[in-house]
Amino acid sequence: ETGVTQTPRHLVMGMTNKKSLKCEQHLGHNAMYWYKQSAKKPLELMFVYSLEERVENNSVPSRFSPECPNSSHLFLHLHTLQPEDSALYLCASSQDSLAGAALNEQFFGPGTRLTVL
Amino acid sequence: DAKTTQPPSMDCAEGRAANLPCNHSTISGNEYVYWYRQIHSQGPQYIIHGLKNNETNEMASLIITEDRKSSTLILPHATLRDTAVYYCIVYDPGNQFYFGTGTSLTVIP
Repeated sequence: ETGVTQTPRHLVMGMTNKKSLKCEQHLGHNAMYWYKQSAKKPLELMFVYSLEERVENNSVPSRFSPECPNSSHLFLHLHTLQPEDSALYLCASSQDSLAGAALNEQFFGPGTRLTVL
Repeated sequence: DAKTTQPPSMDCAEGRAANLPCNHSTISGNEYVYWYRQIHSQGPQYIIHGLKNNETNEMASLIITEDRKSSTLILPHATLRDTAVYYCIVYDPGNQFYFGTGTSLTVIP
């Protein structure tokens, strides 16, 4: 496989469930990102990891818990979500998160469409 | 916050050039202009980026004005598959991308 993959593509969960979203990049990149895209709203950056260290957390509620076990994998653990958390969750990677623009083109996965009932 | 202004929507006839404008009057000297597009319910796709000079690749051309306060993305021969939301982003290296609401381009047969 090439590029950035995300699983599952669609997820329906209740407010009391615990689930995880998975992202994998096959590009040899050092930085990975989680974005949230709600209906008719701009993409919102949630988390940034560089070399497996979290470098950005944009005031995301604690019911979203990221994990980056290595530079190729990124997870988003979900628990006790609310219906307003229903959105498209996008993962992206770039060669480096803090370097110059030439190295920071972001490649996106197809996203996970999450519905919280 | 977004540093760019784009029209919310545009139409373009299939086979014609699509010219998508973007204003970024507060851009600073070290900030780049990036363009991404997002086809419905898919992840954004990188198109092109530039700093001062005009750029061209296999997907599009980017024309940046001399004062760098605005730019235009040109899709030379639009196809139906180019229907998407196009995001113009002013990017400061080392900071995050801010996507804004973009321009929804509809290519009409």
